[in-house]
Amino acid sequence: NAGVTQTPKFRVLKTGQSMTLLCAQDMNHEYMYWYRQDPGMGLRLIHYSVGEGTTAKGEVPDGYNVSRLKKQNFLLGLESAAPSQTSVYFCASRTGNSPLHFGNGTRLTVT
Amino acid sequence: LAKTTQPISMDSYEGQEVNITCSHNNIATNDYITWYQQFPSQGPRFIIQGYKTKVTNEVASLFIPADRKSSTLSLPRVSLSDTAVYYCLVGDGGLTGGGNKLTFGTGTQLKVEL
Repeated sequence: NAGVTQTPKFRVLKTGQSMTLLCAQDMNHEYMYWYRQDPGMGLRLIHYSVGEGTTAKGEVPDGYNVSRLKKQNFLLGLESAAPSQTSVYFCASRTGNSPLHFGNGTRLTVT
Repeated sequence: LAKTTQPISMDSYEGQEVNITCSHNNIATNDYITWYQQFPSQGPRFIIQGYKTKVTNEVASLFIPADRKSSTLSLPRVSLSDTAVYYCLVGDGGLTGGGNKLTFGTGTQLKVEL
């Protein structure tokens, strides 16, 4: 039982490049979330999903897109990366009123 | 959405009890209160969750008054390893759409010294 797995762990992008971050959970959770955390700051919600095939905007959705084609996976895409998107990205999942289970994060640097 | 307010930072010494209070004045009927701990370069991890009154587990206690507009996380006899950021989060079990938009506050940086 791996819990929440994020890939990749680290990535460096040039401005304008695109990439997809993958989050996979093996707990059969309905709800999945993407957060970003800038240095010394709290977590900010980017997008979330309440079930397969559904997504919704969080606090800071601009510049990101998401997809939830399978219940266990939640993808976060950056179409044209900007230096302001340099951050640590955390994925989380939960079911019912259970606590959030977080992955170990993806550290992204955009130069 | 229930917005939370916590102290930015707190200092303590090893062996002391630490109480961190979170205000959530517009908490909804269906909302649960959950506390998380985060160490540098790691994702937050669950500490304790409650709905009302008092909840206790092996690492902490959570006190929730009758009006539920605040909650207090109590850490007994802290050690250096408890130095971390602590977040409170309010949200429901998915009964309403808004309750799933789980947003974190600024958190409380706890520093424990010898």
